[in-house]
Amino acid sequence: QQQVKQSPQSLIVQKGGIPIINCAYENTAFDYFPWYQQFPGKGPALLIAIRPDVSEKKEGRFTISFNKSAKQFSLHIMDSQPGDSATYFCAANSNYQLIWGAGTKLIIKP
Amino acid sequence: GAVVSQHPSWVICKSGTSVKIECRSLDFQATTMFWYRQFPKQSLMLMATSNEGSKATYEQGVEKDKFLINHASLTLSTLTVTSAHPEDSSFYICSARPTGKREQYFGPGTRLTVT
Repeated sequence: QQQVKQSPQSLIVQKGGIPIINCAYENTAFDYFPWYQQFPGKGPALLIAIRPDVSEKKEGRFTISFNKSAKQFSLHIMDSQPGDSATYFCAANSNYQLIWGAGTKLIIKP
Repeated sequence: GAVVSQHPSWVICKSGTSVKIECRSLDFQATTMFWYRQFPKQSLMLMATSNEGSKATYEQGVEKDKFLINHASLTLSTLTVTSAHPEDSSFYICSARPTGKREQYFGPGTRLTVT
């Protein structure tokens, strides 16, 4: 019930392509869904977040799509660059604690 | 804005000694701070939640006597690893939640190596 399932585990995309990372959840009480980007040896950085009353949110090249009925949300990275190569985590808020996905290692090939 | 610092960024200590890690929110007040542990190529594992002025809440399986957490002010939380052993070697990351918000902002992490 408290899990957030993230896929794929790893993803390789050519520069300029649009990587898509998916997450699914069961608990309908989750009320906030952030995405974090983490580079090796660094702490996660908040990229973008969405609330369940919104179906899409864009910030720069990053877009979250949210499907409340399917209990799924996804991250799209437009015009991907080699500098976007990192591990991406989705999460869901429950009582001010974050429940984390397992992470997706993204590699953008030049 | 929303900067969280962590100190030290890396530390090597001998088995049996204690190590203190500081987490500071630099430009906001944080009623709640979180401590995570991350193993290589894995997700973040929540160790404990600390609220300013009260005792920390530890996750199941985390020894509260081994991982001492103090949240003495709205901008500072500390994690002390007591009587460290090699199995405590890990990447420790703190996060801070601005008062009244849901967002969590993370520090850069502390790499602890126990020899």
